[in-house]
This record gives sequence, structure tokens and C-alpha cells, in this order.
Amino acid sequence: GAVVSQHPSWVICKSGTSVKIECRSLDFQATTMFWYRQFPKQSLMLMATSNEGSKATYEQGVEKDKFLINHASLTLSTLTVTSAHPEDSSFYICSAAHGGQADYEQYFGPGTRLTVT
Amino acid sequence: AQSVTQLGSHVSVSEGALVLLRCNYSSSVPPYLFWYVQYPNQGLQLLLKYTTGATLVKGINGFEAEFKKSETSFHLTKPSAHMSDAAEYFCAVLYGQNFVFGPGTRLSVLP
Repeated sequence: GAVVSQHPSWVICKSGTSVKIECRSLDFQATTMFWYRQFPKQSLMLMATSNEGSKATYEQGVEKDKFLINHASLTLSTLTVTSAHPEDSSFYICSAAHGGQADYEQYFGPGTRLTVT
Repeated sequence: AQSVTQLGSHVSVSEGALVLLRCNYSSSVPPYLFWYVQYPNQGLQLLLKYTTGATLVKGINGFEAEFKKSETSFHLTKPSAHMSDAAEYFCAVLYGQNFVFGPGTRLSVLP
């Protein structure tokens, strides 16, 4: 149980275009989902936290107008990179948390590699 | 600010040797601590976690870690390394709902 999927697993897009990444919790309801960014050979950096039905909370330095996050249901969150540029190329990982207070664990998706040419 | 440090960005061990990956954290309150493993181009897999109770925590694949409050440490160990253990390892601390990850340690296992 507790499986999180991401789609697509990799995507190449041209500079100036937008790309949407989906994060789904397959067998549980995720009241909270998180989006991370990981540059090569670096650690994960939290970009934003999204709760179902409300606006995402962005970390300092993350442009909310560039990285649009929608958490429309308890099993789906999407990250849209708008007007992508080569510097947005990165590995994007989502995670999902159960709603129960006793569960501290976040379940991570397999990641999406974005390359902007 | 809360932080997590991992001593050694790259650790090499021989197959069958002891694995020791170090993690220290800064926290003013009792933390929840995690170790994750990441294989190339994949997401994170939870190895083990400490929330409360016994300070020696056993995880998957023969790994274990010990929470030492006095040292603010949560080092990861495995008695005998296997080739399949070669990966990137991340220590993380949970503050509220937000994870703070360490910089990671790449483990190489030599035949």
C-alpha cells in the first residue's frame, strides 16, 4: 500500500512552453501533498505544500506564478511549470501524506525529470 | 533555522564491510528522524524512521540507526555491505509537516 505515482516520468520541452506534472496517490487519500526539486547530485528542496481544496503554500524563493500547483482532489496534485526555461531543468519529486495525525510518513513518487531545451 | 548535516558526501566500502553513514541535526525539540535511499533516476524509499520509543531503530535491507539525543545524531549502519546497497542516502528531519533533508551521501560498494 501507500503508492504514489508521477506522470510523466520524463519530459523534454522547448523553452517558453508549459509542462504539467501529475502526482497521484494510488491507494490512499492524501490530504497534503508536497513538491520537491532536486538538482543533479544535490538534495531535495521543498518547493511547496498543497492541501486539498486550498491554495498551495510556497517556500521562500519559489515563484508561485511560475510553478502552479493544483490539488483538486484527495488523490491528485499537479505541478505546472509555466514558460519553462533551461534553468528549470531538474528532477521534480512529489510526496503525499496521510491525513491521520499518527502517521508522520510521507510517501514519495518516483520523480519526473524535466529537460528544457 | 533547522538543519541536517551528513558527514561525507561520498563513502566507499568493500563488499561485506561495515557501512556507517553519519547524520547530525539541529533541533530545539525532539525530532522525527528518517533515512531514505535513492537509486539513480528514482524517487525516495524509506529505510527507517524514529518517532518515539526505542532509540535503536531497525529498517529494511538490514539497516539500522540509533537516535542519540545528547549527540544530536542519527547515524545509519549496516553490518555487511552488499553491492545492491550502492545508492544515495538521505537523512531527513521532520519539522511539523515539512521535511528538511541532508545533502546526501553517495555510497559505493567495491567488489
